[in-house]
Amino acid sequence: DAKTTQPPSMDCAEGRAANLPCNHSTISGNEYVYWYRQIHSQGPQYIIHGLKNNETNEMASLIITEDRKSSTLILPHATLRDTAVYYCIVRATNAGKSTFGDGTTLTVKP
Amino acid sequence: NAGVTQTPKFRILKIGQSMTLQCTQDMNHNYMYWYRQDPGMGLKLIYYSVGAGITDKGEVPNGYNVSRSTTEDFPLRLELAAPSQTSVYFCASSSDSFSGNTIYFGEGSWLTVV
Repeated sequence: DAKTTQPPSMDCAEGRAANLPCNHSTISGNEYVYWYRQIHSQGPQYIIHGLKNNETNEMASLIITEDRKSSTLILPHATLRDTAVYYCIVRATNAGKSTFGDGTTLTVKP
Repeated sequence: NAGVTQTPKFRILKIGQSMTLQCTQDMNHNYMYWYRQDPGMGLKLIYYSVGAGITDKGEVPNGYNVSRSTTEDFPLRLELAAPSQTSVYFCASSSDSFSGNTIYFGEGSWLTVV
């Protein structure tokens, strides 16, 4: 699995968009970009994933650059409940080993 | 849907004791994982399995053992517990679908070694 680089922490004002970046410059052609978040000490939860096209679901949007070396998770209207650690990982569909880094701690402030 | 179930939720061990963290999933996933998370840190992969009878080391396997005799179960064994193994342990599973394979996590097991 390719390694990812994320900023350790970010702040966002409540109601504003939160844009969380992730660098994955060594990503391979068959690797997807996945985003998870972990609230307090709960088990991480899936948010969204993509291969090369931008993706949107009810939780967030994922923007992947054309060269696929970086991506941005967008929470369009952040709420206090979005305060969490956000993990960006890349993995192939048939990859067994899946590692997580330290993620980005997002703090949404009133 | 039960998803990924871990037991016990909390456990206090004395140094040198052994124990097994149980993990079972009901999604018929081939891939299963054990992670540990120390306070304020990210997830570290301990062991993983790509199917029954197949296991492999992750980033931090020392002091742990696993087995995978069935698709559903992936127990993690701690031998000779040490204070450094005080952590939160997460079991997880995923499919090997070619359309993407989301990882599903259990709720975690809090282990303290004193």
